[in-house]
Amino acid sequence: GAVVSQHPSWVICKSGTSVKIECRSLDFQATTMFWYRQFPKQSLMLMATSNEGSKATYEQGVEKDKFLINHASLTLSTLTVTSAHPEDSSFYICSAQMASGYTDTQYFGPGTRLTVL
Amino acid sequence: GENVEQHPSTLSVQEGDSAVIKCTYSDSASNYFPWYKQELGKGPQLIIDIRSNVGEKKDQRIAVTLNKTAKHFSLHITETQPEDSAVYFCAASIADYGQNFVFGPGTRLSVLP
Repeated sequence: GAVVSQHPSWVICKSGTSVKIECRSLDFQATTMFWYRQFPKQSLMLMATSNEGSKATYEQGVEKDKFLINHASLTLSTLTVTSAHPEDSSFYICSAQMASGYTDTQYFGPGTRLTVL
Repeated sequence: GENVEQHPSTLSVQEGDSAVIKCTYSDSASNYFPWYKQELGKGPQLIIDIRSNVGEKKDQRIAVTLNKTAKHFSLHITETQPEDSAVYFCAASIADYGQNFVFGPGTRLSVLP
């Protein structure tokens, strides 16, 4: 149980294009999802907290107009990297918290590797 | 705000030996402490967690201990196997819905056959 999927698992795009990453909780409802960014050999950096039906809360230094987050349902959150540039290349990981039960635990997706040429 | 430190940054052990990773936290309000294992190119996987109402928790070869007074918690892996090789992250949080985690910098564990 508590499976989180991400799609795509990897994507290569040209500079200036937009990329959408999906995060789904497959076997539970998640009112809150989190988006992280991870650089090689570094820890996870929280980008934003996404709550179903409301605007995401972004961490300081994260451009909300560049990283658009939509949490349209209890099982789906999307991150859109708009006008991507090479410096946006990174490993993006989402996590989800259960809406009931052990609500404090975060279950992570497998990650999406974005490469911007 | 919360600050989590983790030591060591790298750890090499012989197969069959034990491995211990320690984390310290700064916010005494934190009461939920998960440990994640991350293999190369994959997302973190929850391996064990502990809440502040207990001092120790075990799951087969893995155990976590918590010292609330000293504000530190440790991951213990016994009888290590090559497949235990990965990066391990600790985290601290206030156990409540919607609360984000503060992660440690990670420990790269290598189990040598």
